[in-house]
Amino acid sequence: AQTVTQSQPEMSVQEAETVTLSCTYDTSESDYYLFWYKQPPSRQMILVIRQEAYKQQNATENRFSVNFQKAAKSFSLKISDSQLGDAAMYFCAYEGAQGGSEKLVFGKGTKLTVNP
Amino acid sequence: DTGVSQNPRHKITKRGQNVTFRCDPISEHNRLYWYRQTLGQGPEFLTYFQNEAQLEKSRLLSDRFSAERPKGSFSTLEIQRTEQGDSAMYLCASSRAPRGYGYTFGSGTRLTVV
Repeated sequence: AQTVTQSQPEMSVQEAETVTLSCTYDTSESDYYLFWYKQPPSRQMILVIRQEAYKQQNATENRFSVNFQKAAKSFSLKISDSQLGDAAMYFCAYEGAQGGSEKLVFGKGTKLTVNP
Repeated sequence: DTGVSQNPRHKITKRGQNVTFRCDPISEHNRLYWYRQTLGQGPEFLTYFQNEAQLEKSRLLSDRFSAERPKGSFSTLEIQRTEQGDSAMYLCASSRAPRGYGYTFGSGTRLTVV
């Protein structure tokens, strides 16, 4: 079974600075998708960024970018120019691309605090 | 796109009672998922529908849990004989085929069993 590990339960960053959240995963599949979701306090989970495993190029979405290392099974999220609104729980998630189980598998999350 | 709607937002029930939650997915999405999230944890998969067919159930989903999606539209999740360990946030999400585009989540139903 696939597993997702987020080794940083909590992180903090100063406003306008850059922070990187770590995620590793375990799978025997060669094709899959990876996601980062943001869950603000008492609000719904929203998709931040997605990566297709067969694409070498790292995904970027405005201030959010990923460092995808397929061989190392690592998928970190970099937030540049951090803003107060970035404070939230961040979850890394995995989805297999073919056959098998069709569901997202989540890590335990990283709580990000943004200090003014 | 009105998003994924879940009702109720909060539910407090006494141990042993039955509860039912409702999820209305995005209308164009044929896939619907239920997850459970406890404090400090990531969402855990419970079950998944493609249209009206329930295609997968987690081992977490004991016999006290049942989910339906009649006519492939809204879905209900029922918990019978609730236990304190059932206290959690129950999240519903929907997506469209094919895979890889992520899910749209609802705001969840927070269940407290007293």
